Amino acid sequence: GAVVSQHPSRVICKSGTSVKIECRSLDFQATTMFWYRQFPKQSLMLMATSNEGSKATYEQGVEKDKFLINHASLTLSTLTVTSAHPEDSSFYICSALRRAYGYTFGSGTRLTVV
Amino acid sequence: EDKVVQSPLSLVVHEGDTVTLNCSYEVTNFRSLLWYKQEKKAPTFLFMLTSSGIEKKSGRLSSILDKKELSSILNITATQTGDSAIYLCAVERGGSEKLVFGKGTKLTVNP
Repeated sequence: GAVVSQHPSRVICKSGTSVKIECRSLDFQATTMFWYRQFPKQSLMLMATSNEGSKATYEQGVEKDKFLINHASLTLSTLTVTSAHPEDSSFYICSALRRAYGYTFGSGTRLTVV
Repeated sequence: EDKVVQSPLSLVVHEGDTVTLNCSYEVTNFRSLLWYKQEKKAPTFLFMLTSSGIEKKSGRLSSILDKKELSSILNITATQTGDSAIYLCAVERGGSEKLVFGKGTKLTVNP
């Protein structure tokens, strides 16, 4: 199968601090991973496409300096929310594509900024 | 602008009922349509549809794509309380591997 592990599952941080979320493909190599954000009762909104060994591609309206993405290896992508504010509170989900298995999602991270 | 629209947004049924969820799309360079079930956390994969008119089945769930109408339906027969979830429809664009999601249909199955 294709398993994607994401952690932490839940994090509460103070306004102004930074938070790092990790996304790992456990049993396959993922050259491309995707980061989504989901607000309550809303759909998943693609934030950026993370490419191993190169810069991430951000969707329109997503601040690249605020949401730092690093894809240093074929099995790990990280999203760092810098200088977090309450409006950044949301559910963040990563996914990876493995052609034979389609898109596999991580379990998501509930970020609360207080 | 690419768009995926799901209907209804919310549905409440009783156990044993059959439900049909709808998804329509306007996407440049369509590659495939996917259905996911989302309970409390991450979406879990249900179906990937690429060809029109071919029904895919998995137990009580089935889905079919109509490329002429730019739409898909997801059927669930003999619903159970465990089917309660948000069902997401997503369309993959060719050449980019990006998914465009609909807002989802929240299904509640009451005993």
